[in-house]
Amino acid sequence: KAGVTQTPRYLIKTRGQQVTLSCSPISGHRSVSWYQQTPGQGLQFLFEYFSETQRNKGNFPGRFSGRQFSNSRSEMNVSTLELGDSALYLCASSLRRSHTDTQYFGPGTRLTVL
Amino acid sequence: SQQGEEDPQALSIQEGENATMNCSYKTSINNLQWYRQNSGRGLVHLILIRSNEREKHSGRLRVTLDTSKKSSSLLITASRAADTASYFCATDEGFPLLVGTSYGKLTFGQGTILTVHP
Repeated sequence: KAGVTQTPRYLIKTRGQQVTLSCSPISGHRSVSWYQQTPGQGLQFLFEYFSETQRNKGNFPGRFSGRQFSNSRSEMNVSTLELGDSALYLCASSLRRSHTDTQYFGPGTRLTVL
Repeated sequence: SQQGEEDPQALSIQEGENATMNCSYKTSINNLQWYRQNSGRGLVHLILIRSNEREKHSGRLRVTLDTSKKSSSLLITASRAADTASYFCATDEGFPLLVGTSYGKLTFGQGTILTVHP
């Protein structure tokens, strides 16, 4: 079974631009969660989508948004980029049937904001 | 915000030695998971222990959970150079079938950087 895939793997943007990141979950997984990883703040939860609905949201400004499609693929959008948005963005998928379900992570998208 | 504290922040050992990492957390949990991350890449799931379990093994990994102390430990036995990575504990507080739950949100510790010298 193919793992979680994320595209693009690397991205360089300038302040004020917007960016869209994509995540394809493991086949059959309906839950996709997004995380931001920075050296200063560590790994922080952004949001989770399940059946095309946002189920949970972390403590991030409204510039961070996402959506999920009917095939469970998810996109994350960051508008009006700031230097502090430079980070590794990770998505994870799971079955979301029980609390023993594992979240499987993709390789991440490394975003650099100049 | 970070759920837990991991200790030590960095650990340097020789191949063949055992490595022990500790994690503490703050709230009630459903399960605790350990992940490994190699140099800025994706997270690899290692092991999950449920809140009603006290110990779990997987190959060279042994995880313990003490819910009364809100702490967990990960032991890697007979370490190898390939074990060099950052290790994170993550807690899950929600219930998947309960509306409004925070299920699906993992809260991570700050991580332990393990270096295994050949």
